[in-house]
Amino acid sequence: DAMVIQNPRYQVTQFGKPVTLSCSQTLNHNVMYWYQQKSSQAPKLLFHYYDKDFNNEADTPDNFQSRRPNTSFCFLDIRSPGLGDAAMYLCATSRVGGTDRTFPYGYTFGSGTRLTVV
Amino acid sequence: GQNIDQPTEMTATEGAIVQINCTYQTSGFNGLFWYQQHAGEAPTFLSYNVLDGLEEKGRFSSFLSRSKGYSYLLLKELQMKDSASYLCAVDSSYNTDKLIFGTGTRLQVFP
Repeated sequence: DAMVIQNPRYQVTQFGKPVTLSCSQTLNHNVMYWYQQKSSQAPKLLFHYYDKDFNNEADTPDNFQSRRPNTSFCFLDIRSPGLGDAAMYLCATSRVGGTDRTFPYGYTFGSGTRLTVV
Repeated sequence: GQNIDQPTEMTATEGAIVQINCTYQTSGFNGLFWYQQHAGEAPTFLSYNVLDGLEEKGRFSSFLSRSKGYSYLLLKELQMKDSASYLCAVDSSYNTDKLIFGTGTRLQVFP
C-alpha cells in the first residue's frame, strides 16, 4: 500500500562514483520534492518538480541533478558524491491546488534512502 | 529570513502529557505540519493546521496561532513508542508546498 516508494532503502557508493536514487508515487500528485537530511539536522529541500517544471533551490550544489520522466517517477542523480553527501535522501509528493491537505492528499514522504559514501 | 525554532530535546515519563512548542518567522504561511520521525526513518504525518485553534486527533493534538507565529504539539498518555523526533514544518509558499523544517525536538519517554 506504499504510496511514495524510494529505492533502494540503503545505498553505498564510492567517493566520486555517480549514483542515482529513485522515487515513485501512486498518488498522482503533481509536485515531487527531494530533501537531504543529515544526522540530527532538519530536512533540507534540494529541488522540486511542479509537473515538468524543474525548480532548483539557490544553495543546492551543481553536483545534484534531478529527472522526472513522467508523473510517477523522479530521480536524484549525484554526479560525484563526496563524503559530505552522506545523508538520508527523502522524496516527497504533494498535490498543489488540492483542498484537502491532510494525509495522504497533502504532503507525503517516502521511506527515504540512506546514502553512505566510502 | 525563514526561521523555525523548537526545543532540541525533551524528556517525559510514560503516561504523562508533553507539549512541544514551535515558533516560526517565514515570508509566507500556507499551513503548518507536525511530523514524527523515528531514528533512521522518514517523517510520518501527524497533523496539519491552517486556521487558528486546536486540532485533536486521538492522543495527539496540535494548536496554531498565526498572529503569534506559534504552534504546539500535545501528546497525551505517553507511550514508550512515542520516543522520536518531532518536526515542525511550515508551508511557506502559496504556489508550491515548499516546506521549511525546524531542526526537530527529540523526545525521550522513560518508564
